[in-house]
Amino acid sequence: EVQLVQSGAVVKKPGESLRISCKASGYTFSNNWIGWVRQTPGKGLEWMGLVWPGDSDTRYSPSFRGQVTISADKSIDTAYLQWSSLKASDTAIYYCARHARVGTTNDWFDPWGQGTLVTVSS
Amino acid sequence: EIVMTQSPATLSVSPGDTVTLSCRASQTVLTNLAWYQQRPGQAPRVLIYDATTRATGIPGRFSGSKSGIEFTLTISSLQSADFGVYFCQQYNDWPRTFGQGTKVEIK
Repeated sequence: EVQLVQSGAVVKKPGESLRISCKASGYTFSNNWIGWVRQTPGKGLEWMGLVWPGDSDTRYSPSFRGQVTISADKSIDTAYLQWSSLKASDTAIYYCARHARVGTTNDWFDPWGQGTLVTVSS
Repeated sequence: EIVMTQSPATLSVSPGDTVTLSCRASQTVLTNLAWYQQRPGQAPRVLIYDATTRATGIPGRFSGSKSGIEFTLTISSLQSADFGVYFCQQYNDWPRTFGQGTKVEIK
């Protein structure tokens, strides 16, 4: 069974750094793009970007480029989303999700991780 | 970027009803469109991909259709497990984008 298991909820202060993780199992990690999606009550689902675990190639939404870093470590089948300086507006649920088909960027997400709640508050 | 507009924002329906949800793209996305269901407290899951293809394990009461830049998700004989929020997503152009969602609630 393909599974994505994300790290737990976290509370941080503005200006702090953070890295959340997404551990994959049940398939060959290097063969599918992995993406990150932000969910907030006000803006719904926002596509943030993708990483190709094989060589860490990335694609970013212009809205998130320079704000976050997406990466992957194929030696431990794990993808990451990180911030160097959090803002209160980064408070959201973050989902990782795998592209359904091998190799292609024109793809839908299946499956999704369970989500990680990030709260940024002073 | 391509804007995906879903309507209506909320649908109040009864079990057994048939519902139609709409998703309109601001420009062509060909058939590169998926529908997701999100139940309360859960992650989204794919229902339909490539505009009309049901994902593995999805019941036949869910169907997708396309007419130009308008996409439709139809749910027949609505069951209690079907209440939640439905999102469309285009994967034809960068950046990929989601619609704002349609909430299907119990009347």
